[in-house]
Amino acid sequence: QKEVEQNSGPLSVPEGAIASLNCTYSDRGSQSFFWYRQYSGKSPELIMFIYSNGDKEDGRFTAQLNKASQYVSLLIRDSQPSDSATYLCAVTSGTYKYIFGTGTRLKVLA
Amino acid sequence: EAGVAQSPRYKIIEKRQSVAFWCNPISGHATLYWYQQILGQGPKLLIQFQNNGVVDDSQLPKDRFSAERLKGVDSTLKIQPAKLEDSAVYLCASSLGADLEAFFGQGTRLTVV
Repeated sequence: QKEVEQNSGPLSVPEGAIASLNCTYSDRGSQSFFWYRQYSGKSPELIMFIYSNGDKEDGRFTAQLNKASQYVSLLIRDSQPSDSATYLCAVTSGTYKYIFGTGTRLKVLA
Repeated sequence: EAGVAQSPRYKIIEKRQSVAFWCNPISGHATLYWYQQILGQGPKLLIQFQNNGVVDDSQLPKDRFSAERLKGVDSTLKIQPAKLEDSAVYLCASSLGADLEAFFGQGTRLTVV
């Protein structure tokens, strides 16, 4: 079982819709959870982090964490073509390793 | 505030040659990470330092890869000898602490021919 799992996509949504990206993790001792955006040929860029169960909102982005079910999700409201990128989920394990999933490719169709 | 600096940006070498990458983290960041990212995959953690000590290097191919963090600041990652499958982007990242958000440098794109 992979430590951090994401559906590779592509996930296609129309402009203005809500994009929902999901991530599951295997280590119940995981403490911190991050979402990164990576454009083709660029480095990952931090979008959001979340440490506690529940929702955290920042502009058009909402991160949701459910530690009991071991998943974290990212919602992007009012999706724009400029949001088209690969979204990476990262988790710090119980031993503080900073582990990434394989990423989900998002396409926002104009 | 300056970001994570990496050099070189690009490197092309022949198989069996050696190569070294350099990383200067954000000032004050105790934790430094080296990742390997192969096209179409997520970043794979090679080694994680806390100050100048190693937190994890379980996925570092130690027969050919080595890394050090000088005085808990700059770090170098070396490959010797390189194989074709080492062609990837090597990303350095740093964070204030092991449980906190990490910020990435621009990466070094390595091509082994």
